[in-house]
Amino acid sequence: GQQLNQSPQSMFIQEGEDVSMNCTSSSIFNTWLWYKQDPGEGPVLLIALYKAGELTSNGRLTAQFGITRKDSFLNISASIPSDVGIYFCAGQLFKAAGNKLTFGGGTRVLVKP
Amino acid sequence: NAGVTQTPKFQVLKTGQSMTLQCAQDMNHEYMSWYRQDPGMGLRLIHYSVGAGITDQGEVPNGYNVSRSTTEDFPLRLLSAAPSQTSVYFCATSPRGGSGNTIYFGEGSWLTVV
Repeated sequence: GQQLNQSPQSMFIQEGEDVSMNCTSSSIFNTWLWYKQDPGEGPVLLIALYKAGELTSNGRLTAQFGITRKDSFLNISASIPSDVGIYFCAGQLFKAAGNKLTFGGGTRVLVKP
Repeated sequence: NAGVTQTPKFQVLKTGQSMTLQCAQDMNHEYMSWYRQDPGMGLRLIHYSVGAGITDQGEVPNGYNVSRSTTEDFPLRLLSAAPSQTSVYFCATSPRGGSGNTIYFGEGSWLTVV
């Protein structure tokens, strides 16, 4: 089945750093979503993007919907310890049956020892 | 995760046993889905439903059955569990016509098959 390629698979952050992750697809999506998952919990929506080229912020988070509609990136500015977790991108087609989503493999964000 | 309740939270099964993962929602959403999450692979769609009495297969349906007799409930059945079904399972709901920001996930069910 279709998969989204998300990179990096993991990263270490130091408090105050800016971090970036991205997601690419071989086909077009009409909606891009970014989720965060904390241990033992389900994914929680961070940002939803609906238009090619759209740049949207949510606090220290900024995400962009690529012009080609085949990619998206998420930036976290001035990272803090609670940013640790797994971040997932997800793509959705227009009027997807059941609102189904296709997910990337996730980026695990860890704190530098 | 408010409004989407999954049970049980944790379960250990022996190979060949059967069990049902329950998902209940109180938001009157028409759409419900089951995903499984495996390390490094994100979430993959197992089955979904667009309303009571209507279900369809997702990306990885083999080994799972579903039914939707009410709007509120969408149980996922494993008829003969296999170690390959060891995973974390998430139920998701959304309203008909909703967009990406109206999808709600449950807290997950951790299943181990030994």
